[in-house]
Amino acid sequence: AQSVSQHNHHVILSEAASLELGCNYSYGGTVNLFWYVQYPGQHLQLLLKYFSGDPLVKGIKGFEAEFIKSKFSFNLRKPSVQWSDTAEYFCAVNPGGYGGSQGNLIFGKGTKLSVKP
Amino acid sequence: DTGVSQDPRHKITKRGQNVTFRCDPISEHNRLYWYRQTLGQGPEFLTYFQNEAQLEKSRLLSDRFSAERPKGSFSTLEIQRTEQGDSAMYLCASSSLAGVFGQPGHNEQFFGPGTRLTVL
Repeated sequence: AQSVSQHNHHVILSEAASLELGCNYSYGGTVNLFWYVQYPGQHLQLLLKYFSGDPLVKGIKGFEAEFIKSKFSFNLRKPSVQWSDTAEYFCAVNPGGYGGSQGNLIFGKGTKLSVKP
Repeated sequence: DTGVSQDPRHKITKRGQNVTFRCDPISEHNRLYWYRQTLGQGPEFLTYFQNEAQLEKSRLLSDRFSAERPKGSFSTLEIQRTEQGDSAMYLCASSSLAGVFGQPGHNEQFFGPGTRLTVL
């Protein structure tokens, strides 16, 4: 079955520390890849996305992610986190890729990030 | 606000009662999705519509659940004979098949705030 694994359940960092959140998926074909963020009390918001082309994609608020096809991974990174990055981060995969032949997103369980001021 | 809206935001009901939730997608979006999220989990897909056609249903969508999108705009999700296990956040999302420059879209989904259901 298709699945998405996020390796860390809860990450605690101090401000200015670097962040990397792991995401691996199980699907052998073309995929669209997403990271969503949910700030406390708010709804899911799209952080960044990968469809094709350059495997290093940049999103909002200084986040970036790298797609490594051979490792079925799409890890999220930020060089220097801020207290305002405290949130829950979800990796999601849309199997089928370009054109979205399969409609739904498959989400990981999420990683809660706590940034200490 | 032109985002996805959901109503109600919170619903408390007793076991055995029926509940109905509404979702209004972004106006130009032709795809609409329903997900369910429980504590400690990511959203889990329930069903989706392309215009008014329901194209896919998850095995999570038991026969007590029904969803409609009668005019291809807003959608409703009804749960009949609610059970305590139905307590969750019910999320709606929408996307557009149409991308830019005539190319297909990439199913970038925009989420609403959710309806939190508590079954007592």
